[in-house]
Amino acid sequence: EVQLVESGGGLVQPGGSLRLSCAASGFTFRSYWMHWVRQAPGKGPVWVSRINTDGSITTYADSVKGRFTISRDNAKNTLYLQMNSLRAEDTAVYHCARDLLWNLPDYWGQGTLVTVSS
Amino acid sequence: QSALTQPASVSGSPGQSITISCTGTSSDVGGYNHVAWYQQHPGKVPKLMIYDVTNRPSGVSDRFSGSKSGDTASLTISGLQAEDEADYYCASFTSSHTLAFGGGTRLTVL
Repeated sequence: EVQLVESGGGLVQPGGSLRLSCAASGFTFRSYWMHWVRQAPGKGPVWVSRINTDGSITTYADSVKGRFTISRDNAKNTLYLQMNSLRAEDTAVYHCARDLLWNLPDYWGQGTLVTVSS
Repeated sequence: QSALTQPASVSGSPGQSITISCTGTSSDVGGYNHVAWYQQHPGKVPKLMIYDVTNRPSGVSDRFSGSKSGDTASLTISGLQAEDEADYYCASFTSSHTLAFGGGTRLTVL
């Protein structure tokens, strides 16, 4: 059974930083591209970033480019999202998701809530 | 990176069919056959219902079907059931190698 478990969310002040983690199990993690997708309360999903199987290719939404960094550790079956210079509009539940093909996620984790507020 | 356009809400009676549209541009929906539909019940994570315009993942009911014409993709649900009441989101691969989501459609089963 595919499982994706996010952690690392919390309350942070504007301008602060957080590092999210996503522990993967139930599939061969190193063989899949992975995504971060966020969903603000009461809103639809918004794609944030993706990474290829060995971490050599990363892509970001314009809204987070230069502030967020996606990475992975295939030995630990873990995906990361380093978030710097956080803004109020970054407040959302952050989900990691496995790529089925062509950027279309199939399995999503339950997510971790990030709240940016003073 | 604009969102795809979906109607805010649709409704139908049990047993009826409904269609939800998803309009993009030639840089996303119109340019690629990599369009997906997700179902999301309150408090749950999105569930993949359709991928690559018309394909259903294993375990998804054949009452759900997808199609595309030009820059608009569509999700049709036939034989509406109470359990289909949820939010539905389309998503498309884009020419920037990103993923664009629609704003979502709330389906109400009357």
